[in-house]
Amino acid sequence: DIVMTQTPLSLSVTLGQPASISCRSSQSLVHSNGNTYLSWLQQRPGQPPRLLIYQISNRLSGVPDRFSGSGAGTDFTLKISRVEAEDVGVYYCTQATQFPWTFGQGTKVEIK
Amino acid sequence: EVQLLETGGGLVQPGGSLSLSCAASGFTFSSYAMAWVRQAAGKGLEWVSSLNAGGDETYYADSVKGRFTISRDNSKNTMFLQMNSLRDEDTAIYYCGRHGSGSFTPDYWGQGSLVTVSS
Repeated sequence: DIVMTQTPLSLSVTLGQPASISCRSSQSLVHSNGNTYLSWLQQRPGQPPRLLIYQISNRLSGVPDRFSGSGAGTDFTLKISRVEAEDVGVYYCTQATQFPWTFGQGTKVEIK
Repeated sequence: EVQLLETGGGLVQPGGSLSLSCAASGFTFSSYAMAWVRQAAGKGLEWVSSLNAGGDETYYADSVKGRFTISRDNSKNTMFLQMNSLRDEDTAIYYCGRHGSGSFTPDYWGQGSLVTVSS
């Protein structure tokens, strides 16, 4: 199974400041079709997960452009350019390149 | 508007069975693969099972293989998860999700259904 490792596991950020979360996979996430199925999910308290970014850097419709994803191969990053109060929650990276899908441990983002 | 509604959760004794349903609306259900993902209280996300749009290709996590069965009825826009031989460690909120066209990872999620396995 592909192991997804996130750092840091918690992040305390001042409103309006940037935040960055790293995710590393134990093997390449490049699919045989050439795509890389690395996504980022946001889970606000008491809510189901929400897909933010897919295939490394594509924002889902309706996701604010302060969220951006980057990376390649086995190293990926989610950046929030200016953290807002509504961004509080847990962020997960996940791979769907191969079954079983696996998730990072989650990074808890709170406001300082 | 895409909506997914899970039902069927509840309290069951270890070794017992439970069936979850996921009713879909707002999109052409028969065109999308679907998935179940679970989350134990205070823990992270764990993929459980997926099946393709036609329902003839299924995939399971090792932790549930041989005990859980995923299926769908495209005429009723509904997906199911039959859970047998339940264990304490199956206690979790179970979310159904629609495979994203570009992501595979679900682009829409239900609100979840709580399954509690306890004597």
